[in-house]
Amino acid sequence: GESVGLHLPTLSVQEGDNSIINCAYSNSASDYFIWYKQESGKGPQFIIDIRSNMDKRQGQRVTVLLNKTVKHLSLQIAATQPGDSAVYFCAENTYTGGFKTIFGAGTRLFVKA
Amino acid sequence: ETGVTQSPTHLIKTRGQQVTLRCSSQSGHNTVSWYQQALGQGPQFIFQYYREEENGRGNFPPRFSGLQFPNYSSELNVNALELDDSALYLCASSLELEGGYTFGSGTRLTVV
Repeated sequence: GESVGLHLPTLSVQEGDNSIINCAYSNSASDYFIWYKQESGKGPQFIIDIRSNMDKRQGQRVTVLLNKTVKHLSLQIAATQPGDSAVYFCAENTYTGGFKTIFGAGTRLFVKA
Repeated sequence: ETGVTQSPTHLIKTRGQQVTLRCSSQSGHNTVSWYQQALGQGPQFIFQYYREEENGRGNFPPRFSGLQFPNYSSELNVNALELDDSALYLCASSLELEGGYTFGSGTRLTVV
């Protein structure tokens, strides 16, 4: 079935450390993946995206890795800051049976000062 | 850019009633998507419109319907409300079919 899941529902890291949030997807036909950050009371905020013809993409303090062999996506946050505390969602776009965007359940990141 | 705005922010309706939620996309954004987010869960894709045509739909019944207008605004209509429809409804827009989705803050719908 179609699903995007996350291995770790809660992640706690020390300020300044690197964070890694993982995601597994089940639809090998998905061609576009996005990471979002959602803070309390707000809508999801786009962080970074990657297309299926790439395996790595870097932004400011964030890196997304895509491993199509094992259908795995990860978000790496360098030098994690208290402002990074939020729920992080991965999402995939798929065209199987019509266009859909599938979100994972989310990982809550706690940054300890 | 003014971002994506949704109205109302909160709404209480009675089971069986109908509701219309509104979204104003960023100027020039041809694509709008609607999502339902239950408490503690990820957003669930309802449908997407591209240039006023529906081009994708999630696993939601036909009583969930939508419209996209030429002025970059859109609506989500839900008929025959059920208690389980209580959720945060999110609208997101992007310049084209993929990439750079900008979300609004959502409408919190409570069905009693």
